[in-house]
Amino acid sequence: DAGITQSPRYKITETGRQVTLMCHQTWSHSYMFWYRQDLGHGLRLIYYSAAADITDKGEVPDGYVVSRSKTENFPLTLESATRSQTSVYFCASSEGSGYTFGSGTRLTVV
Amino acid sequence: DQQVKQNSPSLSVQEGRISILNCDYTNSMFDYFLWYKKYPAEGPTFLISISSIKDKNEDGRFTVFLNKSAKHLSLHIVPSQPGDSAVYFCAAPVLSGSARQLTFGSGTQLTVLP
Repeated sequence: DAGITQSPRYKITETGRQVTLMCHQTWSHSYMFWYRQDLGHGLRLIYYSAAADITDKGEVPDGYVVSRSKTENFPLTLESATRSQTSVYFCASSEGSGYTFGSGTRLTVV
Repeated sequence: DQQVKQNSPSLSVQEGRISILNCDYTNSMFDYFLWYKKYPAEGPTFLISISSIKDKNEDGRFTVFLNKSAKHLSLHIVPSQPGDSAVYFCAAPVLSGSARQLTFGSGTQLTVLP
């Protein structure tokens, strides 16, 4: 199916564990983004990528790592999960001024 | 500091009436604004946009107004329908490095009452 897909949809993990959220897009868009959505903060940018092997920090990058070895994939890794990283995570891709978002991953860190 | 602000976390409107969602911004260099709509358990979807060279853009029941001197934009929904109940985010592109990143407001939860 064409589009942008995130997996898993829901994840519960323990404090200190490493967890990876997956994002895959089928359009070959150059730009991909990771946002987190928290009440009162809206959507905040974690990391973005302008092309394969080019990534850069956003507004709230601490505790997260990204990679982009292929244009279509942009995984987000929490190296050692903390409770403050409990959130809904959205991946997006873009080839212009607007974004297309995935359906999100709800992550709970206990 | 948030460059795009939505000061009303929620809004309730009767079906058939007008919904007005507001957004303020601080960066006078913004040249483009977007509104996104988000339903529960779904990702945000693009709704409508406006270039800074315009003061109004209309698409069906949705109209966005831009007041550059006040650094203010608003989204009007007329008539409001129960299916419009969602969180609405305003956003603007920020040029940073090689990418135009979108910076978002904190969102307004619109509830349209039948």
